[in-house]
Amino acid sequence: ETGVTQSPTHLIKTRGQQVTLRCSSQSGHNTVSWYQQALGQGPQFIFQYYREEENGRGNFPPRFSGLQFPNYSSELNVNALELDDSALYLCASSLDGGATTYEQYFGPGTRLTVT
Amino acid sequence: GENVEQHPSTLSVQEGDSAVIKCTYSDSASNYFPWYKQELGKRPQLIIDIRSNVGEKKDQRIAVTLNKTAKHFSLHITETQPEDSAVYFCAASFSNQFYFGTGTSLTVIP
Repeated sequence: ETGVTQSPTHLIKTRGQQVTLRCSSQSGHNTVSWYQQALGQGPQFIFQYYREEENGRGNFPPRFSGLQFPNYSSELNVNALELDDSALYLCASSLDGGATTYEQYFGPGTRLTVT
Repeated sequence: GENVEQHPSTLSVQEGDSAVIKCTYSDSASNYFPWYKQELGKRPQLIIDIRSNVGEKKDQRIAVTLNKTAKHFSLHITETQPEDSAVYFCAASFSNQFYFGTGTSLTVIP
């Protein structure tokens, strides 16, 4: 069984640019959630993908968008980057159990710096 | 949406003492409450969790209690060791959407 992986590890972008972050879910998991973790804060829920569709969204603007692929891997896209977007971006995978919530396991994160 | 509050933000204990971290949540629909440990520069690691149909769960030196009526849950670490030093996050979840507290930085003093 393989764990959650993310790429790239670090990224530096300029304000106004666009960025794509990638996540491969743990083997057997069909649900991927994305989080933004600012320094010294807890992870903030961005959105979740299940069966290639968005399945819930936190309080983030539309310039944060995502995709999930048939193999359950996922991308997070952020357009028109702002300085406040600098953070650790974590993805987490889990098995969707309908009414039952299953354990969620995190990837190592992508550290995004916007200058 | 769900709002999770966590206290204290920092906690220092002597090695061998107990540590308690408390969280409250707002959405009565939340039914799953995990705790994560995050060491500096590393990913959050699940250490224990509890579901809403259970009042208490224990795993060796770690225990979690849940009071659904009061909407609060707590993490208890007994016989603390220096390697327990880390940031701990609580979370509340419903339908696979997780909302995290702001974290508690625990320092265990040898």
